Amino acid sequence: DAGVIQSPRHEVTEMGQEVTLRCKPISGHNSLFWYRQTMMRGLELLIYFNNNVPIDDSGMPEDRFSAKMPNASFSTLKIQPSEPRDSAVYFCASSLVAGAIEAFFGQGTRLTVV
Amino acid sequence: ELKVEQNPLFLSMQEGKNYTIYCNYSTTSDRLYWYRQDPGKSLESLFVLLSNGAVKQEGRLMASLDTKARLSTLHITAAVHDLSATYFCAVDLGFNDMRFGAGTRLTVKP
Repeated sequence: DAGVIQSPRHEVTEMGQEVTLRCKPISGHNSLFWYRQTMMRGLELLIYFNNNVPIDDSGMPEDRFSAKMPNASFSTLKIQPSEPRDSAVYFCASSLVAGAIEAFFGQGTRLTVV
Repeated sequence: ELKVEQNPLFLSMQEGKNYTIYCNYSTTSDRLYWYRQDPGKSLESLFVLLSNGAVKQEGRLMASLDTKARLSTLHITAAVHDLSATYFCAVDLGFNDMRFGAGTRLTVKP
């Protein structure tokens, strides 16, 4: 398996623009997580899905952020409109809830909003 | 409010020395993970601790879990430069809903 695949790896955008981050979880995994990592705040859980259903989105910072998981093999995290303070590395991770295994992380998307 | 506290946050060690990183958490959980992150890279799983008293070892790293004390430790034996990285503990709140500590940035010097 190729692991968790995120795209793009890097994104530079202007303030006010819409940004969409994409994630393909490991095949067979039924939980998917979006994290944001910054120097100031560390790793923050934004939202997680179980069987494509959002379970906890309390970490989503504002209404500007939205996430979807239309099927078991794809998820998006959208920021609209983007702001400079959204600059961070966004990680997607997936796991198998029923198994005694950890979550596996993608390589991350480094977002810079100028 | 859930707290996952790691200490120290920064650790500079000499090669060959031993040290322990601590992870305290404020909620009931019997599942805890340790991850490693190299600069500019993603998180790599090191250990999965699934019950009270669990101990896992891999090379120079050993992790343990005491769920009653809500404490996990990551012990480093005879450190080498390749262990330089940031180490995170993560508490599982259920359904693999992991909450991470702030990370311990380890630097091993010759």
